[in-house]
Amino acid sequence: AQKITQTQPGMFVQEKEAVTLDCTYDTSDQSYGLFWYKQPSSGEMIFLIYQGSYDEQNATEGRYSLNFQKARKSANLVISASQLGDSAMYFCAMREGDSNDDTNAGKSTFGDGTTLTVKP
Amino acid sequence: DVKVTQSSRYLVKRTGEKVFLECVQDMDHENMFWYRQDPGLGLRLIYFSYDVKMKEKGDIPEGYSVSREKKERFSLILESASTNQTSMYLCASSTGQGGFTDTQYFGPGTRLTVL
Repeated sequence: AQKITQTQPGMFVQEKEAVTLDCTYDTSDQSYGLFWYKQPSSGEMIFLIYQGSYDEQNATEGRYSLNFQKARKSANLVISASQLGDSAMYFCAMREGDSNDDTNAGKSTFGDGTTLTVKP
Repeated sequence: DVKVTQSSRYLVKRTGEKVFLECVQDMDHENMFWYRQDPGLGLRLIYFSYDVKMKEKGDIPEGYSVSREKKERFSLILESASTNQTSMYLCASSTGQGGFTDTQYFGPGTRLTVL
């Protein structure tokens, strides 16, 4: 089974509106981190926001917020007041944390991504 | 700010050539990673390193090797490039601390074309 599922291959949003990008995950670990990255057409993966499995509050970073629903194993990214520069591919990723084995150090699982297009 | 740099943004090589992709990070990170990204296949981990001279295979190590002689530099080597290795290659690094909170930071990527 896929560990990270992003069900929306492509999304459109009108400039200045909010948009939600879906991410569901699958893990049996109690400790894990969830990450969102943005990849513009230039190719660089830009870290946006992080949510830990023990965090009680939803993470926020400027116009980005993470709607974390632990029981549903979902970690949706919400972008408020969309801008043209938000047009990019967005990746959800998970780092499972119950193992301290160095040989598994830092390994993350990435979803297939959602391409967001912001319309003027 | 974390800075991860990759030696080339675009690279064109011929089948059978030995190819070196270099990655340098300036934040004293313990962990470094090489991924390849292909349309429809997402990001796939090739190799990672959690310390100098230490390396672990990722999900698709066949046809690749790596070298980490210094903490800041992680090289990906294609011993004999083939056309199916045409791809976008992304390097990343992370502190290696904090377990599951450890964030990976990426370089700009290298688009490799093998003719």
